[in-house]
Amino acid sequence: GAVVSQHPSRVICKSGTSVKIECRSLDFQATTMFWYRQFPKQSLMLMATSNEGSKATYEQGVEKDKFLINHASLTLSTLTVTSAHPEDSSFYICSARDRMREPPDTQYFGPGTRLTVL
Amino acid sequence: AQKITQTQPGMFVQEKEAVTLDCTYDTSDPSYGLFWYKQPSSGEMIFLIYQGSYDQQNATEGRYSLNFQKARKSANLVISASQLGDSAMYFCAMSPLPNSGYSTLTFGKGTMLLVSP
Repeated sequence: GAVVSQHPSRVICKSGTSVKIECRSLDFQATTMFWYRQFPKQSLMLMATSNEGSKATYEQGVEKDKFLINHASLTLSTLTVTSAHPEDSSFYICSARDRMREPPDTQYFGPGTRLTVL
Repeated sequence: AQKITQTQPGMFVQEKEAVTLDCTYDTSDPSYGLFWYKQPSSGEMIFLIYQGSYDQQNATEGRYSLNFQKARKSANLVISASQLGDSAMYFCAMSPLPNSGYSTLTFGKGTMLLVSP
């Protein structure tokens, strides 16, 4: 399958700091990338959809000023958690869609980033 | 709106046996795609298999097959000859087709599969 990388894999930060997470599609161009949040033993919760060259579309209840998304190129999207607080601690996982690959519209996921805010 | 239901929070199977993970769905979209993903303890979501709603045959991918029953709106995953490495969380998901740039995946709550020796 397609390869998506995510960096860092794990980050611990102090409350009030900002954290940037990078998501890269390594072997394909991704016009659309997605950011999810996952709490322990729960399913993935979509936070936002990011299309290259346009503003991200945020899901209801997700603060766009808190979770800044930039899709600067066809292979890179970044999620910045601004002024992080302990309640932002979670597993963040990105995915990218390769529209040229079969089966159609399959999302390929990165390995995830575990954020811990102290 | 789309909805995925996975009624089995956990499943146990012995090595080398087959196991079926249930998934039912609800949608008003005339065409759609169904996906299964595996999430081991490392956290990465691994794409396993895909079924299009208009595909006549059930999808197969190695030891994975999808038992697609459109009238019943079910898309069960069958894993044959289970291996210890199959122990993981399994998610069923769907999206409408054709997929616009803003179409998203709807996930079920997942089923934890444990394979014992």
